[in-house]
Amino acid sequence: QVQLLESGGGVVQPGGSLRLSCATSGFTFRIYGMHWVRQAPGKGLEWVSFIRYDSSDKYYADSVKGRFTISRDNSKNTLYLQMDGLRVEDTAVYYCAKTAKNIDDFDYWGQGTLVIVSS
Amino acid sequence: SSELTQDPAVSVALGQTVRITCQGDSLRTYYASWYQQKPGQAPVLVMYAETNRPSGIPDRFSGSSSGDTASLIITGAQAEDEADYYCNSRDISGKPWVFGGGTKLTVL
Repeated sequence: QVQLLESGGGVVQPGGSLRLSCATSGFTFRIYGMHWVRQAPGKGLEWVSFIRYDSSDKYYADSVKGRFTISRDNSKNTLYLQMDGLRVEDTAVYYCAKTAKNIDDFDYWGQGTLVIVSS
Repeated sequence: SSELTQDPAVSVALGQTVRITCQGDSLRTYYASWYQQKPGQAPVLVMYAETNRPSGIPDRFSGSSSGDTASLIITGAQAEDEADYYCNSRDISGKPWVFGGGTKLTVL
């Protein structure tokens, strides 16, 4: 069965960095695009970033552009999100999500990893 | 602020039909997908390309679209359908994807 497992969350000071990982199994990772989506405490879902199956295209939300970098290692079936210049407003649960045949549809999600940015 | 607008809260009597709507200019061009999220859990895809239901989603869930509004319809709502529902689509202003603000569904 499809499994997505995020890791790397934690508490970091403003201006700091974290690298999130999303280890996947149960599907052919190298042929699917992947997204990161976040959810601040008590708030709604916010799309963060997307990477195409072959890393040829990467997109970012305006709120993270220039600070976050999405990447993937198809040999390790793993998705990453490098987060630099973290701000208090980046505090959220970060989910990775697999795309369906259409990259607009997020058909499987991980359980999320919590990032807290606080001094 | 979100470019897809949802009612913050909707309620429905057990066994009745409820329509959850999502409005935005981009929906005239792009399909909407819908996600159900229960407290403490990850979202689950319940409808894609407006009217397509993933395997495992009960057939009481359906979707429709007209103009700038997409709808998720639950026919015969059950207690287990109580959750937050989010629509998602491309953003016509240039952001690749955007979620609606979410609708909290209460089953009475």
